[in-house]
This record gives sequence, structure tokens and C-alpha cells, in this order.
Amino acid sequence: GDSVTQMEGPVTLSEEAFLTINCTYTATGYPSLFWYVQYPGEGLQLLLKATKADDKGSNKGFEATYRKETTSFHLEKGSVQVSDSAVYFCALSGVLSSGSARQLTFGSGTQLTVLP
Amino acid sequence: KAGVTQTPRYLIKTRGQQVTLSCSPISGHRSVSWYQQTPGQGLQFLFEYFSETQRNKGNFPGRFSGRQFSNSRSEMNVSTLELGDSALYLCASSFFYQGAGTEAFFGQGTRLTVV
Repeated sequence: GDSVTQMEGPVTLSEEAFLTINCTYTATGYPSLFWYVQYPGEGLQLLLKATKADDKGSNKGFEATYRKETTSFHLEKGSVQVSDSAVYFCALSGVLSSGSARQLTFGSGTQLTVLP
Repeated sequence: KAGVTQTPRYLIKTRGQQVTLSCSPISGHRSVSWYQQTPGQGLQFLFEYFSETQRNKGNFPGRFSGRQFSNSRSEMNVSTLELGDSALYLCASSFFYQGAGTEAFFGQGTRLTVV
């Protein structure tokens, strides 16, 4: 079945540092890939998505590129802020070649703390 | 437009009791999924309902059940509560199946504590 593997956390960075959170996936066919973010006490919010190979999703300074050859969708941000402190989840979904929909599958989440 | 609404936000129950949680999806959305989130297990899929039918079910015991009404509102029920059921329960809605590549919109969750 489908699976998503994220780098272990927690990740602690100083403000304005460069962020990378690794995400790799196992899935047949061509899934859609997502990054969701969860701020303290809140539900998950979609951060960005990519639906096909080589697509780059971007939002609020965050970027991730869908790399089919390495089955990866790493999240990056050039300069993090204290307000970026949250838990980040990589996820996949999409329609199989048979026409049926996959189950939305999440990684384990990575806790990011940004210090001033 | 209004987001996904989960009620109640917080709940304290005693072991052995049962509990019902409610989720109102975004207007026009027909899919509602439920997830259990704990520090140890992370996000675990419970079930998905689409147009009042359970479309998918995760690996949880039969004490966990759900249903969806004709207005797409959903409830989940946990019977014979155990201490290990303490968790944040998240509901997510989407226009179509949540595995089909469309965005899922999450509620703020219900924090259940079993004592």
C-alpha cells in the first residue's frame, strides 16, 4: 500500500535559517503530494501541493518539488520565522490508474521550532 | 464560507462510558473523514463517509463507529471508552473522495480525555 516517510523531528532552527524537511513516498502510479501544517491547538491546513512530476508547489515562502525519480517531496524555506513554528505533515492522495481513489495517507509529522 | 466545525472542542469522559463527536463539513462537501491524533501514533485514519456511505475504514476496533446524515454532517461514536482513547479527534471534509487528489479541510478537533 501507499506510505509516506518524513524525517524525524523535532527540528529547532534560529530565525532566518534555511529549512529542509525531507519527505519520501511509496506509491504506485502518480499520486498527488501535499504538505499540511498544524499550528498549536489547531487542525491541519493545506500549505502547498503538487499533482504531477516536476511540479513545484509554493506558498508563504515554502516550496516543494515533486521528484518522481527519487520519490521525494522535500519542503524548503529560505528564511524561517518564529511564526513558522508548527508541525508539518507530508501526505499523498490521487486517483489510481484503475479509476478508484486512494486513501489520503499522511507521514508522521515533523515538529519545527524557530527561536528568535 | 464557514469552515469545518467540530463539537465539542473538549470532552472529559470516564473509562467505560461512550461518547459522540460531531462534525459539520463545509457547505457542498460530501466527504467527511475522521482521524485520531496522539503523540505516540501520530495521525491515524478512522473512516471516511461519502454521501452517507462508509467508503473506507482504518484499522480500529468495532468500538469506533460513525455515520453521515443526508446534510453531510457526520458523527463518530466510541463505546466502552478506554484510557488509550484519549486523543485529538480531527474531522476533515472535501468535495470529493479525500484520496482523489482534492484538498481536505480540517476542523480544529475535539480533545477527548478519558479518566
